[in-house]
Amino acid sequence: GAVVSQHPSRVICKSGTSVKIECRSLDFQATTMFWYRQFPKQSLMLMATSNEGSKATYEQGVEKDKFLINHASLTLSTLTVTSAHPEDSSFYICSARPPDRANTEAFFGQGTRLTVV
Amino acid sequence: KNEVEQSPQNLTAQEGEFITINCSYSVGISALHWLQQHPGGGIVSLFMLSSGKKKHGRLIATINIQEKHSSLHITASHPRDSAVYICAVLPYGQNFVFGPGTRLSVLP
Repeated sequence: GAVVSQHPSRVICKSGTSVKIECRSLDFQATTMFWYRQFPKQSLMLMATSNEGSKATYEQGVEKDKFLINHASLTLSTLTVTSAHPEDSSFYICSARPPDRANTEAFFGQGTRLTVV
Repeated sequence: KNEVEQSPQNLTAQEGEFITINCSYSVGISALHWLQQHPGGGIVSLFMLSSGKKKHGRLIATINIQEKHSSLHITASHPRDSAVYICAVLPYGQNFVFGPGTRLSVLP
């Protein structure tokens, strides 16, 4: 079946540094991928929609200069947390939908737990 | 009022018990997913439903589109079923709307 792979699964970084998270669709080409953030004991919140070959669409309140999204190919989207601060510590997860089943199917990456110290 | 509600919020069961988690939503949807999130964080889609009922092993999911309600059942529950179960709906042409999740603990 279709698989979305996310890397790394865990990362610890120093405050002020940048961290890149990769999301790959392994079995299908994804023109659109989605990035979510989850705080402890809360539900997933959509951060942005990543569009292949064009700019990402950010949800209200999400800083596009802080959370850089690059969707350079049909199978890869990256989220870079720039100048990370401890409040950016969270669980980040991506999702993608097969284009022929976008109204129904969705697959999630394994998630990345970011800790900024 | 949240668009997607789940009950119960937390559930503790003894191994072997039959478990039901409910989801109700207020918008028209093209599909509903039941997701499982283990303590490590990774999310797996257990079921995608647009009508009727689906069964996979000890898991059964049902949906009533007219009543905007879905249930997830776990038969013969096991400690490895302990996780957060999330109901996620796909409104037509829109992105996922997630329920708050149900935290299930199955005790041996």
